[in-house]
Amino acid sequence: DTEVTQTPKHLVMGMTNKKSLKCEQHMGHRAMYWYKQKAKKPPELMFVYSYEKLSINESVPSRFSPECPNSSLLNLHLHALQPEDSALYLCASSQESSGYNSPLHFGNGTRLTVT
Amino acid sequence: DAKTTQPNSMESNEEEPVHLPCNHSTISGTDYIHWYRQLPSQGPEYVIHGLTSNVNNRMASLAIAEDRKSSTLILHRATLRDAAVYYCILRVPLGGAGSYQLTFGKGTKLSVIP
Repeated sequence: DTEVTQTPKHLVMGMTNKKSLKCEQHMGHRAMYWYKQKAKKPPELMFVYSYEKLSINESVPSRFSPECPNSSLLNLHLHALQPEDSALYLCASSQESSGYNSPLHFGNGTRLTVT
Repeated sequence: DAKTTQPNSMESNEEEPVHLPCNHSTISGTDYIHWYRQLPSQGPEYVIHGLTSNVNNRMASLAIAEDRKSSTLILHRATLRDAAVYYCILRVPLGGAGSYQLTFGKGTKLSVIP
């Protein structure tokens, strides 16, 4: 079991739908991350939040909209996605984003399929 | 960006030691070396990290070359549950935000033979 909980585990959505992915941690971590992982590829960073503020957006299209309502929660709002956005979306947290020796704790991801 | 190079795949017999190599010739002086593994259908899992000295924990050992341009993750007795993709990663600074991230390379797929 992981200490980072992601819901839902699986999601199928059409290209006109709006959906949200949720991530929760109760370890007191102040940095949270979204990664995207295509099949048989390594995870790629999308967003970093540090102390509930967006610190990094790795040139992610605007159809992906992150939100950090508080220090324990991280959302990823999805709208007008394309089939090529189908992937495993991973959430992670760490004690603080500038802590270079702080390991990341990952959730098990949401498997997203866009039809 | 500092990059890592790992073999695409390795095999090991069960209950034997496994040495997973990683080259990181462009590492800078303050970059930590992190290792994560990803089991099928799971998120990545932290294994170990170090800066200059060799490190041990309950999961593995990390041997770091004196010039820090390479490192080796050592699993002392491989089990079937150790079959996973192992990522050797350098902490990378994130622009001007004063924050850091872990950029994943392609990793090594470890197969464990019963």
